Amino acid sequence: NAGVTQTPKFQVLKTGQSMTLQCAQDMNHNSMYWYRQDPGMGLRLIYYSASEGTTDKGEVPNGYNVSRLNKREFSLRLESAAPSQTSVYFCASPGTPNSGNTIYFGEGSWLTVV
Amino acid sequence: QKEVEQNSGPLSVPEGAIASLNCTYSDRVSQSFFWYRQYSGKSPELIMSIYSNGDKEDGRFTAQLNKASQYVSLLIRDSQPSDSATYLCAVGGNTPLVFGKGTRLSVIA
Repeated sequence: NAGVTQTPKFQVLKTGQSMTLQCAQDMNHNSMYWYRQDPGMGLRLIYYSASEGTTDKGEVPNGYNVSRLNKREFSLRLESAAPSQTSVYFCASPGTPNSGNTIYFGEGSWLTVV
Repeated sequence: QKEVEQNSGPLSVPEGAIASLNCTYSDRVSQSFFWYRQYSGKSPELIMSIYSNGDKEDGRFTAQLNKASQYVSLLIRDSQPSDSATYLCAVGGNTPLVFGKGTRLSVIA
């Protein structure tokens, strides 16, 4: 998807391991989000950043940390992965009011914790 | 907790028919409403946005909003097999969008 790039696309972790999901946007947007998507659960907000230097908890923040490194980058870290964190993770960035505040999504990161 | 409710489906319609997808939301101060389409294994893609009461048409798609009833719907005319996907309703205001769980649509050829 144009503008939002996230890595890695696939990852398998063992319980207790740590990892960081990286996200970058080149649209000069202020806000960036991390969602997770589980079967039958829709998209749930983990953390968001309304601007560089600020972060806030979303609906399901437990077990995660985030860093808004600069305006472009917003990373999601799992310090000690658990099987319950097996999910698809989407980084997203909302556009400006002129674009209807629509959200631009990355392609997703499929994470399996065994 | 802001909630967005959708029927999970699957909703099955024959090719060429009208598919009707519905969504209700709990936060009365919501200002923006979106419909996203998501194919299996892909990220959501925006297909419609609506901000004021009434209908908004874009090609085969019509979004309908009724703020008094806290209800938003999506009509897909002349449904095609390529429309088979999960449709996500999303609602927002000054805070990040809240998504429904999605409705699976299956268009039968």
